[in-house]
Amino acid sequence: GAGVSQTPSNKVTEKGKYVELRCDPISGHTALYWYRQSLGQGPEFLIYFQGTGAADDSGLPNDRFFAVRPEGSVSTLKIQRTERGDSAVYLCASSLSGGDAETQYFGPGTRLLVL
Amino acid sequence: TQLLEQSPQFLSIQEGENLTVYCNSSSVFSSLQWYRQEPGEGPVLLVTVVTGGEVKKLKRLTFQFGDARKDSSLHITAAQPGDTGLYLCAGADYGGSQGNLIFGKGTKLSVKP
Repeated sequence: GAGVSQTPSNKVTEKGKYVELRCDPISGHTALYWYRQSLGQGPEFLIYFQGTGAADDSGLPNDRFFAVRPEGSVSTLKIQRTERGDSAVYLCASSLSGGDAETQYFGPGTRLLVL
Repeated sequence: TQLLEQSPQFLSIQEGENLTVYCNSSSVFSSLQWYRQEPGEGPVLLVTVVTGGEVKKLKRLTFQFGDARKDSSLHITAAQPGDTGLYLCAGADYGGSQGNLIFGKGTKLSVKP
């Protein structure tokens, strides 16, 4: 079956602009996660959805970052007033039900470059 | 703040050599996972270890979870060029939010033919 897909694969924007990053999880997976990976670093947790609701958004760096999952499937990560420091690979992952030893399946990521 | 420290940061070896990479923390984790990530791709899960002292083998890869569930190691026997990649360990926060994985910075492995 299809894995996790993310669009766009690359996004170049100017400082101060608004961007939306999309994640399509594996069908039937109720848990969805967003991570951010900066160059030379491991992924950093941003937010975790269980169904339509954000179960844990403690990783969002500030109020410029927001994510939604209105129908419990596709999720969109939204970044307002982008800054150069937001440049990174944004990874999405999904898992069947969200248990802590459960396999998270990652998408290929969206590479965001803020000029 | 829980942190996972991985060592070495970089490792370049010849095909056929053995290697061990380490993942250490001062915190206890309920489970620990190892991932491999190739350029332009997301991480792919290799193994999950749950029990302190647990050892899991996956072909030429051997994973160990420390008795105190604070550290782990990955040993590769007879490395091959196809093993090249970024090896990441990730811990599940003991008693914390389900699904909130804490990643180390990774070990970048290069295996030369």
